[in-house]
Amino acid sequence: EAGVAQSPRYKIIEKRQSVAFWCNPISGHATLYWYQQILGQGPKLLIQFQNNGVVDDSQLPKDRFSAERLKGVDSTLKIQPAKLEDSAVYLCASSLGDSYNEQFFGPGTRLTVL
Amino acid sequence: GENVEQHPSTLSVQEGDSAVIKCTYSDSASNYFPWYKQELGKRPQLIIDIRSNVGEKKDQRIAVTLNKTAKHFSLHITETQPEDSAVYFCAPTGGFKTIFGAGTRLFVKA
Repeated sequence: EAGVAQSPRYKIIEKRQSVAFWCNPISGHATLYWYQQILGQGPKLLIQFQNNGVVDDSQLPKDRFSAERLKGVDSTLKIQPAKLEDSAVYLCASSLGDSYNEQFFGPGTRLTVL
Repeated sequence: GENVEQHPSTLSVQEGDSAVIKCTYSDSASNYFPWYKQELGKRPQLIIDIRSNVGEKKDQRIAVTLNKTAKHFSLHITETQPEDSAVYFCAPTGGFKTIFGAGTRLFVKA
């Protein structure tokens, strides 16, 4: 079974530039998560989708971050404009769909904002 | 907001010793209690989980115990090995909401 795919794996940009990350979840997984993991901290949920609807985006900085999940499968997360404090690993995860399910994580995208 | 705390933040043990990490949560709606392991530079991976109707679960050298009344659950690793060195995260979940703890860095000295 293929795992969660993410691209790019690494990205370096300057502050005020924009960046986009892509995630392809495990086939059949209804729930998709985007997390931000700053070095030395636990993953912080940015947004959670159930199929193509948003379940939780309470911690998404909506003035600069946006995300969408087209047709309930792939998802993109965008930052515009980026700030220095956005430097982190962005993890995408997926799960089958109910609250008892394991989350499977992708390899992450390491973003450096200079 | 809901709160999740892990203790200790760092744990150093000798190979062969046991390690225990505790996770305290505040959301009474939590009903699923997983532990994830993240090795340096890698993605988090589930190592063990427990549901709210079970008090303890064991899988070889690892076990999880749950005290729902006190709102805490613990990860137990016995006969630790150097490959157990990693960061461990609890992630109590309830009503589709998951909050990850800050992590416990475990060092196993050979």
